[in-house]
Amino acid sequence: DAGITQSPRHKVTETGTPVTLRCHQTENHRYMYWYRQDPGHGLRLIHYSYGVKDTDKGEVSDGYSVSRSKTEDFLLTLESATSSQTSVYFCAITGGQGYNEQFFGPGTRLTVL
Amino acid sequence: ILNVEQSPQSLHVQEGDSTNFTCSFPSSNFYALHWYRWETAKSPEALFVMTLNGDEKKKGRISATLNTKEGYSYLYIKGSQPEDSATYLCAFSNSNSGYALNFGKGTSLLVTP
Repeated sequence: DAGITQSPRHKVTETGTPVTLRCHQTENHRYMYWYRQDPGHGLRLIHYSYGVKDTDKGEVSDGYSVSRSKTEDFLLTLESATSSQTSVYFCAITGGQGYNEQFFGPGTRLTVL
Repeated sequence: ILNVEQSPQSLHVQEGDSTNFTCSFPSSNFYALHWYRWETAKSPEALFVMTLNGDEKKKGRISATLNTKEGYSYLYIKGSQPEDSATYLCAFSNSNSGYALNFGKGTSLLVTP
């Protein structure tokens, strides 16, 4: 258990509304990631963070922003949700075993109507 | 974005059968290759991290091999059981990808009694 929680676990929202997903970790890991999982696409990286206030874009960052004001929290924001952002969102951290091994949170299922 | 290919996309075997899947990745500047097991409605769970050409890892009935020169890894399951049903993901990083992992789309395994 890498001490990763995500909130909310499920959310239904309407197109055009802002949405923020939270990833919280308890073990002071430096690297944190947001992925989305869609059928036929596997896991795709949205954004990642390599420290407080240090973030970078991943493969599918359009329409998403992130913030990391504390080591333990990594927030993913959809400024104006669209139906194409309906997905399962996973947060991950890089653990202490080396070689970039990542450990995943339980996921957030987001539905945009 | 580094292209990671997994085959087959899906597989259906009978209980007791042995099976294997392939992960192909770019062989230049190799750093690490990861295998994850991902059950429906759960988060991906790390199986193996492999870093050296010729590496072999084993966990119970599951084993993996690595060929970094030609850019492929095999995952083997001996005597498949229904509880092995899951999606098996491989992920690759090289020395230029920082702490990011590039995931394949996975092989979905169904084992029926």
